[in-house]
Formats: sequence, C-alpha cells, structure tokens
Amino acid sequence: DAGVTQSPTHLIKTRGQHVTLRCSPISGHKSVSWYQQVLGQGPQFIFQYYEKEERGRGNFPDRFSARQFPNYSSELNVNALLLGDSALYLCASSLRVADTQYFGPGTRLTVL
Amino acid sequence: AQKVTQAQTEISVVEKEDVTLDCVYETRDTTYYLFWYKQPPSGELVFLIRRNSFDEQNEISGRYSWNFQKSTSSFNFTITASQVVDSAVYFCALMCLQTGANNLFFGTGTRLTVIP
Repeated sequence: DAGVTQSPTHLIKTRGQHVTLRCSPISGHKSVSWYQQVLGQGPQFIFQYYEKEERGRGNFPDRFSARQFPNYSSELNVNALLLGDSALYLCASSLRVADTQYFGPGTRLTVL
Repeated sequence: AQKVTQAQTEISVVEKEDVTLDCVYETRDTTYYLFWYKQPPSGELVFLIRRNSFDEQNEISGRYSWNFQKSTSSFNFTITASQVVDSAVYFCALMCLQTGANNLFFGTGTRLTVIP
C-alpha cells in the first residue's frame, strides 16, 4: 500500500511569493495534519483536517491556510513568503483525528 | 500547557553498545498518547511506537524497548546492541486527547550517531 505522498519534493521561492504544497493520505485515512519543521527543531503543528473540516490550528499567521478535498487529499498554502518560512513541511495522515499519524517525505521549501 | 523535553541533543555510541534516549512530558490531560518517531537523513518521520496513558506496561520490539513511567512523566527509549542503521534523529511526541486538537507536540529531538 502506498504511504503518504507529498509534492513537490523541493521548492525554491523568493520573498513575497505564494506557494502551494500538496499531500495525498494513505488510502482509507480521513484526517490530514500539516507540520513545519525548521532545521534543528521538532515539527510544529500547523493544521489538522478531518472529513474536509478544520479540526485544529497551530500558532501560525493567517498567511498560512489549508483545505481538504472530498478525496481526503490536502493543500497547504502560504502567502507573502518570508525568509523564516524556509523549512521542511510535513504532511501526516491518520484514520481519525485521535489516531497514530503517519508522515510523508515532506516538501523542503527554501525562501530566498 | 503541553510540553515534551528531550534533554539529550546528541548522543554518540559505538556499534553494539546499548543506548537510552530520554523523554519527559508535561500535560494536564489524564488521557493522552505518547509516541516515538525516527527521522533518518532522508527526512521522513517513521512511526515507532504509541503508548496510551492508561497502559504503563513496558514494551519490547526486537532491539527496541520503551519504559513508560507516569510517576516521573517519562517515556524513555532504549536501543540494545545498536547498529549503524540506527543513526538518525529520534523524536518523542505527545498527543492530548481531552483538550484542543489531537495534534502532536514534539520534543526537539535527539540525534543518535552509531559509530562502526
């Protein structure tokens, strides 16, 4: 069975631009969560979605937004990119919200 | 507030040595999960184990074992007879089931290097 997939693998943007990251969950999983991992730190929670509804949001500015589609895939959008947004963005899926989360390979975003 | 502390930033051991990675957590919830994840250089977080707050039984899986003690709010991870393939960053994480979203709170990780 396929695991969590994310695209793109790497991305380079300049300050002020917008970016969209994509995630496909494990088949049968209905919850998707997004995390930001800055170099040398643990992942920080950004969003959690379940059945297309936002179930939780971490301490991130409104420049960050996300959505979940009927097929349970998800997008993370970041507007007006800042240098500090450079990080590894991880997507995780789980059967339900309070369940083990399985992670994808991540998207490494570099903002110049 | 929820918090996970991994005081060991980096550990180096020689192959075949045993190593214990420490994890201390804080939460006011009485129902929660604790996790360990492994992050190899490729970057993908690999799930290792989940423990329920009501289950303090220690667990062993091959060379891996976990010691959960609610009295000290600790959930330590021991690798027996370490191997070079164990080299990675290991994260301890907490998921609270009573308050807020059911997201993971991660520690800052412990980088384990196993020297051949």
